[in-house]
Amino acid sequence: DAGVIQSPRHEVTEMGQEVTLRCKPISGHDYLFWYRQTMMRGLELLIYFNNNVPIDDSGMPEDRFSAKMPNASFSTLKIQPSEPRDSAVYFCATGTGAQPQHFGDGTRLSIL
Amino acid sequence: DAKTTQPPSMDCAEGRAANLPCNHSTISGNEYVYWYRQIHSQGPQYIIHGLKNNETNEMASLIITEDRKSSTLILPHATLRDTAVYYCIVSAFRSSNTGKLIFGQGTTLQVKP
Repeated sequence: DAGVIQSPRHEVTEMGQEVTLRCKPISGHDYLFWYRQTMMRGLELLIYFNNNVPIDDSGMPEDRFSAKMPNASFSTLKIQPSEPRDSAVYFCATGTGAQPQHFGDGTRLSIL
Repeated sequence: DAKTTQPPSMDCAEGRAANLPCNHSTISGNEYVYWYRQIHSQGPQYIIHGLKNNETNEMASLIITEDRKSSTLILPHATLRDTAVYYCIVSAFRSSNTGKLIFGQGTTLQVKP
């Protein structure tokens, strides 16, 4: 079991640039979640999908953030344009109806 | 989902049992108690969950009081690798395993030699 795979592990970019974070879920998991972690706000759920369909995006901070899941093996979280306050660790987690969520190791994003 | 209250930090001697408390006085009948931990710079790791009976697995034991208003996570023989932030989360089964997990600030457990 390869676990949840996130890429890149680290990303440093300048303000205004587009940022794309990627997640490969565990095979067979039909739920996928995107979280953000900062010192100030802790771990926050941004959006989650079931069977590739977005179910709840109420945690997405603003229109600059978008997430897609084109198929069961891949999801992206995009920030355009990026701002320094978007700097955080972004986690992807996946699960099924019978199993607790499994988290990836995260992407550490720094916006200069 | 019900809120939880945990002490911000705890220490434990290596080899001793670590007992981490959690208060969830507003828990509803259909809500489970979940425990996750986060070791520095890693993603959260699932530990254990329960509804009203005590539970045990290879990592830990979960003791839930009869009124379900509080619980204790027990690491029977803590090691230095158990140093982490421990999160207690209360949520309905459907939303926890397949939906929202609302993380609080957790308890930072420091295991000391």
